[in-house]
Amino acid sequence: GAVVSQHPSWVICKSGTSVKIECRSLDFQATTMFWYRQFPKQSLMLMATSNEGSKATYEQGVEKDKFLINHASLTLSTLTVTSAHPEDSSFYICSTGQPGQGARETQYFGPGTRLLVL
Amino acid sequence: GESVGLHLPTLSVQEGDNSIINCAYSNSASDYFIWYKQESGKGPQFIIDIRSNMDKRQGQRVTVLLNKTVKHLSLQIAATQPGDSAVYFCAERDMIYNQGGKLIFGQGTELSVKP
Repeated sequence: GAVVSQHPSWVICKSGTSVKIECRSLDFQATTMFWYRQFPKQSLMLMATSNEGSKATYEQGVEKDKFLINHASLTLSTLTVTSAHPEDSSFYICSTGQPGQGARETQYFGPGTRLLVL
Repeated sequence: GESVGLHLPTLSVQEGDNSIINCAYSNSASDYFIWYKQESGKGPQFIIDIRSNMDKRQGQRVTVLLNKTVKHLSLQIAATQPGDSAVYFCAERDMIYNQGGKLIFGQGTELSVKP
């Protein structure tokens, strides 16, 4: 499957600051990447779909001005949490599909980024 | 709205026994399903998938069964090992009407393997 990396793996920041999380597709060019958020003992919640060269598509209830997504290249998507607050503390995970499988586009996930806002 | 749910939030099994993790889905239009394993502090890891034109698919020590009549999915793990301890998620996708490729995840089942 596809190899996906994330950086940083964990970050601690002060309330009100902005944090950027990178998601990289290491072994193929990904036109689409997905960003998820996961709270402890809960399932993954899709935040947005990141499309290379165009605007991201946000899920209902996700503030696009707070969670800025940039997908400027086929191997990199970034998620910036602007003016972070303690309630934004969570585990952020990105994923990408692997083209060439026809209708079977399994999503492969990155290792996740743990964000703690103090 | 549409959702994918699990019958059992926790499952404890003895090492060497077989494990069965269940999942119910509500979107009858879904035609692709995936099981993921997530260890603590890590991202989900692909285990096995199945298309709706199949009833069963086998991998290494794992088998996925799909019953479209009752919209039920299960993951069977043979000879469960301590390394299998993790949270298991099922996910589904509507391949026809959801070309964006979004996955809908179930609640997750925490599998605990006792030595």
